[in-house]
Amino acid sequence: QSVLTQPPSMSAAPGERVSISCSATDFNIGDSYFTWYQYVPGTAPRLLIYDNDKRPSGTPDRFSGSKFGASGSPGASATLAITGLQTGDEAHYYCATWERSLSAVIFGGGTKLTVL
Amino acid sequence: QVQLHESGPGLLKPSQTLSLTCTVSGGSITSHSYYWNWIRQPAGKGLEWIGRSHGTITINYSPSLKSRVTMSIDTSKNELSLEVDSVTAADTAVYFCARSSSQSWEAFDIWGRGTLVTVSS
Repeated sequence: QSVLTQPPSMSAAPGERVSISCSATDFNIGDSYFTWYQYVPGTAPRLLIYDNDKRPSGTPDRFSGSKFGASGSPGASATLAITGLQTGDEAHYYCATWERSLSAVIFGGGTKLTVL
Repeated sequence: QVQLHESGPGLLKPSQTLSLTCTVSGGSITSHSYYWNWIRQPAGKGLEWIGRSHGTITINYSPSLKSRVTMSIDTSKNELSLEVDSVTAADTAVYFCARSSSQSWEAFDIWGRGTLVTVSS
């Protein structure tokens, strides 16, 4: 079964940098694109990163995305990095991709980020 | 500016059919540039993609929900609809509609505020 795995929780202090990983298992994501969302319960999720590393207008450049793993290699991953952490960054972060064999979008399990 | 608004009953009993509507304002739901998606967040769990429509033609469903889900588009009302059959407590969730582009199928750039659906006897 195709799965995107994220750490359930992370924490860091204001001003620090965090990297949230999103690892793919059981499918080849070599040509897939990852997106990242910020979600605060009670609000609408917000698109942060698309096409692995592109920021829509409105996403601060403190947020960056990257993808590791060549086409044809299983177990590739994506990462969301946040620098200069702010208390307002405290939220749940989700990765997502289009899984070709399923013809479906799959989300990672989400990472709850706490800014201490 | 495109806006999405979900509506539907907040409370259902097990075995009933869930029916939700997403009204699109500020843009046409028939635009070939976009897909229209349903996504939910079950209580205490992560985001789960349900399915998508593209105009009135292309529809994809999550494999795990495919047997119980039907999506449709009413172009005259500029609305996207979702039906989930035989609901159980596991279908209790906040349901969102969201737009993605034909270039980036998994990039949901505009979301509704969501509507809470509770399944309880």
